[in-house]
Amino acid sequence: KQEVTQIPAALSVPEGENLVLNCSFTDSAIYNLQWFRQDPGKGLTSLLLIQSSQREQTSGRLNASLDKSSGRSTLYIAASQPGDSATYLCAVRPGSGGYQKVTFGIGTKLQVIP
Amino acid sequence: GAVVSQHPSWVICKSGTSVKIECRSLDFQATTMFWYRQFPKQSLMLMATSNEGSKATYEQGVEKDKFLINHASLTLSTLTVTSAHPEDSSFYICSARRWGANTDTQYFGPGTRLTVL
Repeated sequence: KQEVTQIPAALSVPEGENLVLNCSFTDSAIYNLQWFRQDPGKGLTSLLLIQSSQREQTSGRLNASLDKSSGRSTLYIAASQPGDSATYLCAVRPGSGGYQKVTFGIGTKLQVIP
Repeated sequence: GAVVSQHPSWVICKSGTSVKIECRSLDFQATTMFWYRQFPKQSLMLMATSNEGSKATYEQGVEKDKFLINHASLTLSTLTVTSAHPEDSSFYICSARRWGANTDTQYFGPGTRLTVL
């Protein structure tokens, strides 16, 4: 059974700081890993998706890396802004055939202080 | 990119009533859709897998008679919470699988917040 852990559970940083969010998973046989953002009371916004064959993906100030063998992914946010405040979720999709159950972490709640 | 919509985005209902939530893939056909539920301060948990034209597959612990899923077309799946109770209050999110020769991706809807009074 896949388990996804996100550390830290909460993070507060001053504006402008670079930061790293961590995601670890127990089963390395994954199809892909996806990072989402969730604002309070809102739905999911997909940030980055990394296929199992990839090592990293970048979008603007965001960079996500994947180390399948060690069961880890990091989301790097450069020059953080107050608008980045949200909960960041990591989701892992298994690589086993047609089984599609995505396992989510509980998230890291980020607060960027102006 | 592909878009998945949900309707309504939020709903408040009285205990004992039924509520239907729609999930639509707007620009692609999805033979498989998924329904997730998120309780406060918990992660999203898969409730069921919805397959077009066949019965849904429910995860362990999810009551199929309470959470009715219908996937009648390639672009629409519905989740009906029957005889809703306050403990059913949650955030419900669907996703749709888009796959073909060069793609196999799940796209998530914006979610529906259900509050049962």
